Amino acid sequence: GAGVSQTPSNKVTEKGKYVELRCDPISGHTALYWYRQSLGQGPEFLIYFQGTGAADDSGLPNDRFFAVRPEGSVSTLKIQRTERGDSAVYLCASSLNNRNLGQPTANTEAFFGQGTRLTVV
Amino acid sequence: AQRVTQPEKLLSVFKGAPVELKCNYSYSGSPELFWYVQYSRQRLQLLLRHISRESIKGFTADLNKGETSFHLKKPFAQEEDSAMYYCALTRRGNTGKLIFGQGTTLQVKP
Repeated sequence: GAGVSQTPSNKVTEKGKYVELRCDPISGHTALYWYRQSLGQGPEFLIYFQGTGAADDSGLPNDRFFAVRPEGSVSTLKIQRTERGDSAVYLCASSLNNRNLGQPTANTEAFFGQGTRLTVV
Repeated sequence: AQRVTQPEKLLSVFKGAPVELKCNYSYSGSPELFWYVQYSRQRLQLLLRHISRESIKGFTADLNKGETSFHLKKPFAQEEDSAMYYCALTRRGNTGKLIFGQGTTLQVKP
């Protein structure tokens, strides 16, 4: 079916507001990742889910950022009290299985969405 | 510290010329190295990974553990190769949590 889908594609919000960014992974992919890409930089890891649980949230910059994946499929990245420095492209990726030891490499490739461009004014 | 360095922000070559996009890394442990590509208005996609040892679209990359490098090479550049290229690494067995370099824009002129 379709690849990783992210909505909205663009979001403009005022400083201090709350935003939610949505990611629909490829059906059946158990691992889901969020990255943030600032202008002129490569993507930076934020958080990853294995199923419903956040297996690693070490990349979240502060407690204004939170992500959920309640049913192990769709994920929402939530940003509270947005700041101008939060402006970036937020990328989501999914892969079939994160635990790939001994498995074919095709099971572990991460597929990226088109991203959500967040602008905080 | 885990880091990926791509020293060139822009590489401009003429069609048919050889291309080498440089990537150096620092990592304690056994990394897996990748090259991702983003064509204009398209999503980021995997180009190749070092453990596959394959050539994709004429590109190859060899992991040099002594020099901690993973340079991307193509003997004859094509205009359709123009894109942003990112080198990335992950801990072996964890291919989703990637550490990316800053990226190199490859511009192939006719």
